[in-house]
Amino acid sequence: GAVVSQHPSWVICKSGTSVKIECRSLDFQATTMFWYRQFPKQSLMLMATSNEGSKATYEQGVEKDKFLINHASLTLSTLTVTSAHPEDSSFYICSASPWDLNQPQHFGDGTRLSIL
Amino acid sequence: EDQVTQSPEALRLQEGESSSLNCSYTVSGLRGLFWYRQDPGKGPEFLFTLYSAGEEKEKERLKATLTKKESFLHITAPKPEDSATYLCAVQVPGSSNTGKLIFGQGTTLQVKP
Repeated sequence: GAVVSQHPSWVICKSGTSVKIECRSLDFQATTMFWYRQFPKQSLMLMATSNEGSKATYEQGVEKDKFLINHASLTLSTLTVTSAHPEDSSFYICSASPWDLNQPQHFGDGTRLSIL
Repeated sequence: EDQVTQSPEALRLQEGESSSLNCSYTVSGLRGLFWYRQDPGKGPEFLFTLYSAGEEKEKERLKATLTKKESFLHITAPKPEDSATYLCAVQVPGSSNTGKLIFGQGTTLQVKP
């Protein structure tokens, strides 16, 4: 089946640091990638939708300048959490969707971000 | 406002004890309903897609059904390895061609041997 790789799986850093998370589709071209945030024992909340070669679309309440998204190729999207603070600590998950509308989104295994 | 609600929040079953999980939804335009399984510390794993009322899909001990207002995930004779959180998501029009997913809160299933 389709594979989406997310890296790193776990990161701990100091407050004020910027952190970059990569999301790669390994065996298909992903015209659209999605970034989610998940708090403990809660469901996935969509943060933004990124389309290859264009600006990301952010959901209401998500700070564009805090969460920078780049989707420079059909297999790679990155999420950069800028000047991270403890409240940004969370589980971040990406998904990728091929052009075929009948195909579901395939998810990476997530990145556990802890800001000290 | 688009909304997806799953029940129960948690479910404990004995091995072999069949049951059903519910996902009810209120959305402006349903493009598809998806079931995913999520293990702790992992991303969701795709199980089923349903597009129209009356549709059913099966995979091993799991069977998903869809009506105009809700979906059920039936688990027949579950095994301990079926323990996980089951997420329901509806696909609605969004900024991309594929739309976007709105997730329910999930049902955490524990199957005891």
